[in-house]
Amino acid sequence: EDQVTQSPEALRLQEGESSSLNCSYTVSGLRGLFWYRQDPGKGPEFLFTLYSAGEEKEKERLKATLTKKESFLHITAPKPEDSATYLCAVFNDYKLSFGAGTTVTVRA
Amino acid sequence: DAMVIQNPRYQVTQFGKPVTLSCSQTLNHNVMYWYQQKSSQAPKLLFHYYDKDFNNEADTPDNFQSRRPNTSFCFLDIRSPGLGDAAMYLCATSSLTSGRADTQYFGPGTRLTVL
Repeated sequence: EDQVTQSPEALRLQEGESSSLNCSYTVSGLRGLFWYRQDPGKGPEFLFTLYSAGEEKEKERLKATLTKKESFLHITAPKPEDSATYLCAVFNDYKLSFGAGTTVTVRA
Repeated sequence: DAMVIQNPRYQVTQFGKPVTLSCSQTLNHNVMYWYQQKSSQAPKLLFHYYDKDFNNEADTPDNFQSRRPNTSFCFLDIRSPGLGDAAMYLCATSSLTSGRADTQYFGPGTRLTVL
């Protein structure tokens, strides 16, 4: 069975304080690893898809990387508007298996 | 510009009173998914439609049913809601092709409260 574990559960950052979120996974035959952002009371918003180890993608202050066992989401010089829960999910066969997420709070 | 629309955004029902949640999409995607998400938990897949083919997850309770009358619309029916069914219900769509996984796009969710 696919397993996705995200750490830490919660992360409190000062504005401008860079940090990384971890997503470790166990899946037979990874067909894609997804990162989503979820604001309170809203649906997940797509950020990135990574398909193979060594792949990296960037969007504004976010950068996602992938190895054979884990993915990292790096937040560089975060702003308060980056506060959200970040969800990682692996795609295998037909469905996404999600981690429980990391809730990031950025203080001004 | 809304791509995946869910109605209503908030639904209050009474214990045991049937409820239907609605999802529509303008993306013309062939796959539609329903997830249940409880507070501080990961979204959990209930079932999905691949075109007209319905696929139920093994651990989805019989209390949950779904209908997809056409490509654009999908409904989630909860026949006899219990207190444990209070959650956010998320609809998602994707264009599933062989090989690489295509992105799932989520709607804003429906928050269900059971009294």
